[in-house]
Amino acid sequence: SYVLTQPSSVAVAPGNPATITCGGHNIGSKSVNWYQQKPGQAPVLVMFFDSDRPSGIPERFSGSNSGNTAALTISRVEAGDEADYYCQVWDDIIDREEFGGGTKLTVL
Amino acid sequence: QVHLVQSGPEVKMAGSSVKVSCTLSGGALINYPITWVRQAPGEGLEWMGGIVPMFGTVKYRQEFQGRVTISVDESTNTVYMELNSLTSKDTAVYYCARRASASTNWFDPWGQGTLVTVSS
Repeated sequence: SYVLTQPSSVAVAPGNPATITCGGHNIGSKSVNWYQQKPGQAPVLVMFFDSDRPSGIPERFSGSNSGNTAALTISRVEAGDEADYYCQVWDDIIDREEFGGGTKLTVL
Repeated sequence: QVHLVQSGPEVKMAGSSVKVSCTLSGGALINYPITWVRQAPGEGLEWMGGIVPMFGTVKYRQEFQGRVTISVDESTNTVYMELNSLTSKDTAVYYCARRASASTNWFDPWGQGTLVTVSS
């Protein structure tokens, strides 16, 4: 299966940028999506097709994908951004969706 | 605006089955593939499978093959996920989510989740 590797946690002070990475073999050749999940809530799509923002997602959120690493960047972190973030791709070899293990973003 | 509303929490005995429903409002289900994802307590997201109502095609994660069935009732705009031979490892929140089309792979929106608790 296709393995996606995320750091378990990232901690950032308010107003500073935060970058959450998602590593995978030649992930730059795939389309990566990102979800935000707050405690007790369902996941919410925050980025699709590597770097497209759904309506309602602040411009502070951006995405990139190249080589073996995709990334979700929040330019100026706010307290309300504290959540778990998951990357997701479609594994075309075995025809199934894969999620990364998730990254807990803590706002200091 | 499209919303997905799931059935309520379930408590099941080991060895039994559970059937979770997911009803779409604000659109016709036949236009949207629906995916099922589960999340065990304190764990990450796990894709289980999905259905494309327009084509009648269904895909399952290999680990669930033979144990899970995803079906659709277009008359009620509802998708079902049935999981058999439950064990304690199946205790999780089960989510349905919509894909925009058969050629896209992002999920938006998601249902509110259904907690399934399996007791031995």
